[in-house]
Amino acid sequence: DVKVTQSSRYLVKRTGEKVFLECVQDMDHENMFWYRQDPGLGLRLIYFSYDVKMKEKGDIPEGYSVSREKKERFSLILESASTNQTSMYLCASSLGGKFYEQYFGPGTRLTVT
Amino acid sequence: DQQVKQNSPSLSVQEGRISILNCDYTNSMFDYFLWYKKYPAEGPTFLISISSIKDKNEDGRFTVFLNKSAKHLSLHIVPSQPGDSAVYFCAASAPGSGNTGKLIFGQGTTLQVKP
Repeated sequence: DVKVTQSSRYLVKRTGEKVFLECVQDMDHENMFWYRQDPGLGLRLIYFSYDVKMKEKGDIPEGYSVSREKKERFSLILESASTNQTSMYLCASSLGGKFYEQYFGPGTRLTVT
Repeated sequence: DQQVKQNSPSLSVQEGRISILNCDYTNSMFDYFLWYKKYPAEGPTFLISISSIKDKNEDGRFTVFLNKSAKHLSLHIVPSQPGDSAVYFCAASAPGSGNTGKLIFGQGTTLQVKP
């Protein structure tokens, strides 16, 4: 069974803080993804990576950055958290040739006050 | 601009009946369509997919239909069970270079199956 874990289930941060969300997968998947889920908007792709040290912007990258130093780990960074970044953040991974069959972590509910 | 749309936020059906969830898309270049299911406090899980060259794919109680001329797909669940109660996301695959690409998700439809 593929397992994708996220460092926190719930996180509360203050405006202006730097926030790190960590994601680890244990199935040697090449691709990793970060999404945010908001009511009425579904899942929106923030960034993805198809290899170590590689990254691609998704549909809403503004205000975020990512880091992938090891194959199994993909970090999402909020450089200066703002209240409009309050959301559910979901990490996913997939095999290199099957980017569409993604395995998701349980999510991190981030609240920025 | 929402390229994948699920216009029904919620659906309620009786146990044993058919559930039909709908999804519309705008980009004719999408080459793969998928449905994911999400329970509260869990991440989405892959349910079923269909290639753009097919019009139907069946997996047990779940069938996905694709109508390319209408840019419409639907998920049929027969018979519906209370355990199917979840949020269902439609997604379309937008291929990139090589083996890379991304999914574009709809807004989700919350299905409630009543015993």
